[in-house]
Amino acid sequence: TQLLEQSPQFLSIQEGENLTVYCNSSSVFSSLQWYRQEPGEGPVLLVTVVTGGEVKKLKRLTFQFGDARKDSSLHITAAQPGDTGLYLCAGWDSGTYKYIFGTGTRLKVLA
Amino acid sequence: ETGVTQSPTHLIKTRGQQVTLRCSSQSGHNTVSWYQQALGQGPQFIFQYYREEENGRGNFPPRFSGLQFPNYSSELNVNALELDDSALYLCASSLGGGYQETQYFGPGTRLLVL
Repeated sequence: TQLLEQSPQFLSIQEGENLTVYCNSSSVFSSLQWYRQEPGEGPVLLVTVVTGGEVKKLKRLTFQFGDARKDSSLHITAAQPGDTGLYLCAGWDSGTYKYIFGTGTRLKVLA
Repeated sequence: ETGVTQSPTHLIKTRGQQVTLRCSSQSGHNTVSWYQQALGQGPQFIFQYYREEENGRGNFPPRFSGLQFPNYSSELNVNALELDDSALYLCASSLGGGYQETQYFGPGTRLLVL
């Protein structure tokens, strides 16, 4: 079974700071998705990365897929209180036909 | 275009009881996946239904069962509830079974088992 480990588990930073969240696996994924989930709501898709080495930008968020497609990172520049939430990476395990979510990173940005 | 809706929003049951949760998929979507999210954790895949057939299942016992209707809405049934079944249950819809398609999540049903 493929596992997705995220780090850090919790992050509390001041507004304006930069941060990076990591998503690591020992297995290869054909693609990875990043979601953000707010309390009382379902996860909302932020981005899908498909190609090894791919970098995608979404305003202040930069997503990177590792060359070997085993890891991914999310970098937030100049974090704002509105970025507060649970960040989840996820991918499809084609061997077992299960969609796997990472362990999650809970981010709190203080004003 | 309506998004994914789930009912009820909250539910309290006692151990041993049975529960049915409902999900209406986004317009045009034929695939529904169900997830269990315990407090402080990421969602865990329960199963996926594609065109009314189960199309993949996670590590959940048989007392977790599902159904997809011709209009692609879906139900999740849990029998013999246990305390550990307390969680947020999410459904997500997509167009086409498999992993290439983007999933859109509903707000979830929060189940508390006492």
